Amino acid sequence: GQQVMQIPQYQHVQEGEDFTTYCNSSTTLSNIQWYKQRPGGHPVFLIQLVKSGEVKKQKRLTFQFGEAKKNSSLHITATQTTDVGTYFCAGPPYNNNDMRFGAGTRLTVKP
Amino acid sequence: DGGITQSPKYLFRKEGQNVTLSCEQNLNHDAMYWYRQDPGQGLRLIYYSQIVNDFQKGDIAEGYSVSREKKESFPLTVTSAQKNPTAFYLCASSPRQEGTQYFGPGTRLTVL
Repeated sequence: GQQVMQIPQYQHVQEGEDFTTYCNSSTTLSNIQWYKQRPGGHPVFLIQLVKSGEVKKQKRLTFQFGEAKKNSSLHITATQTTDVGTYFCAGPPYNNNDMRFGAGTRLTVKP
Repeated sequence: DGGITQSPKYLFRKEGQNVTLSCEQNLNHDAMYWYRQDPGQGLRLIYYSQIVNDFQKGDIAEGYSVSREKKESFPLTVTSAQKNPTAFYLCASSPRQEGTQYFGPGTRLTVL
C-alpha cells in the first residue's frame, strides 16, 4: 500500500535558525497537505498544494510540491518559539482517495 | 458556530469494557475519519466514512467498530478485543475524501 515518509523524526533548533522537513510518498499524490499539531493539541490544517512544482509561502513558511508529485518540503525561516509542534504531511494517491499521513517531524525551539 | 466536537476529552475505563467515543460535526461534511495517535507517533487511520450508512476499514481497524447513521455523527466503539486501547483518538471530517481534514480536539482514552 501507499506509504508516506517524513524526515527527520525530530529536529531541535536554536531560535532564529532555519528548519526543513521532508515528505516522500511511494506513489504519486493528487495533492499534498500540511498540518501542525501543537503539544497537547490536535492537527490543524496549514496548506494544500495541488500542482506539480508548486511553491506556496505563508510568512516565514515555504511549502514545495515536487515535480513528480511524490515529495514535498516545508521550510521555516528564522524559527520562533511559537513554531514548536509536530508537522505532518498527508496526501491521497491518484489510484484511490485514502488520505495517508506521514509520521510527522517534531520541532523544538530553544529560546 | 461550526466545527467538530469530540467527547469526552478524557476517558478512563477498566480492561475488558467496551467504550464509545463521540464525534459530531455541523460542517455538512460528507467524509469522516477516526485516527489513533500514540505518544510521539503519527496518525494511524482506524475507520473512515464517505457517506451515511457506509464506512471502510483503515490500517488498524481490528478491535474497533463504527457506525454512520447520520451525516453529522460518526461514533467509534473501542471493544474489549482491542489489545492496547490506551491512546489519543482523533476524529476528523472533510468536505470530500481527498480534501482538507478538520480535526476535533480528541479524546484521551486510558484503560486501567
